[in-house]
Order: sequence, then C-alpha cells, then structure tokens
Amino acid sequence: GAGVSQSPSNKVTEKGKDVELRCDPISGHTALYWYRQSLGQGLEFLIYFQGNSAPDKSGLPSDRFSAERTGGSVSTLTIQRTQQEDSAVYLCASSLDAQGAGREQFFGPGTRLTVL
Amino acid sequence: SQQGEEDPQALSIQEGENATMNCSYKTSINNLQWYRQNSGRGLVHLILIRSNEREKHSGRLRVTLDTSKKSSSLLITASRAADTASYFCATDVRDSSYKLIFGSGTRLLVRP
Repeated sequence: GAGVSQSPSNKVTEKGKDVELRCDPISGHTALYWYRQSLGQGLEFLIYFQGNSAPDKSGLPSDRFSAERTGGSVSTLTIQRTQQEDSAVYLCASSLDAQGAGREQFFGPGTRLTVL
Repeated sequence: SQQGEEDPQALSIQEGENATMNCSYKTSINNLQWYRQNSGRGLVHLILIRSNEREKHSGRLRVTLDTSKKSSSLLITASRAADTASYFCATDVRDSSYKLIFGSGTRLLVRP
C-alpha cells in the first residue's frame, strides 16, 4: 500500500472491555513497531516485530497488553480489560528492515482509544 | 523512561521568523531523527542525522548534532503558518537500534 494504515481511527470503549487495534504496514517492510502517545506527551515504545517474531516486548505496560503479527504483515495489538489509563493514541510504524542503523520508520495515522 | 527532552515545550513566533528547537538525550546513539506531528496524529519524518555528522540541511530545515553534549537542534527558517505542529526528536539507541526513543516534543505555533 501507499503507507501504513491503522484501524479503527477512533475507538471508544467501556472500562473492562477488550479492544483490538489493527496495523497494516507498508508492503515489503519486515519490521513493525507499536508506540503509545498519551495526551500532550511524546511516544512510548511498546513492542517491535521482525517478521512474525517479537524480539522486544519490554515496552508493554502490563500483561493485559499483547500483540501478534501474522504472515509478516498485519499486526494486531490487543488490550484486555481496558482501564481508563489506557486511553491514548496508539501508533504503528514500519520500516524496511530494523537491522542496521538509521532505518526510517514510517508511521500510520494512529488509533485514538478512549476508555470511559 | 524518555531518552530525549526538548525545549522549549512551546514556541510561538510570527510568520517569516526562524524557529529553533533543542533536544537533549542521555545515552550513546547511532542516529537522531526529527519528526513532525500535526493534530496529535501520524508523524512525518523530517530529517535524520548520523552520530558522525555535525550538521545537515533539508530545504528550510537545519539540524545540528553535538554528541559531546548529547544535544541536537532543529532550525526552521522563514517559518510559515503551515509549519504549526509538534516537533519531536527521536534517537535510536546504540545497542538496540530498532527502538526509537522520543522526546516530549515542542509545540510550535506560527502566527500568520
């Protein structure tokens, strides 16, 4: 595709419900990243995929957060039993390859999650 | 924890003036990148400067890097109203080059 796409663009949910956020990276990009941005803040790294593997999950805030990637393409970030502090914009990025320095990351438009 | 800290947090200037934003970071890096974000959504990559470079230009953008001080600056010359956005620096840490660590950003307002 022309760029990284994410869906939904906005999600409003009730506390305690599960949500799934989807990311479609740029075709051919092997590396995929999830970040979270709280209101007025910088981006916080969550998880990184190289192919379908996630070598670094260190940024996931709790065990309520999980992510998977299938076919080396689409990724889903799942948040179980959502809490109000999960409210944020969740941004996905992809790059051609994470190996080697300076691989530019291309960002999607994000999913704005609001937990009531 | 955040790698980068930016200042000022907010900057308001008149169209045509120059805007300078600064970023400091904590650990050794491979590269430093600057991104722009409009309306709190997707980020647009502006420029990348490698750790062995001291200055880089791209159009109206000029980036400097001082690895001894662990700091970088972004200069936007002849600003336009369309430059109004938040600007973030991001570093990829030397021992984990895939991970970008973002600063807290500078919110730039260019008044027409």
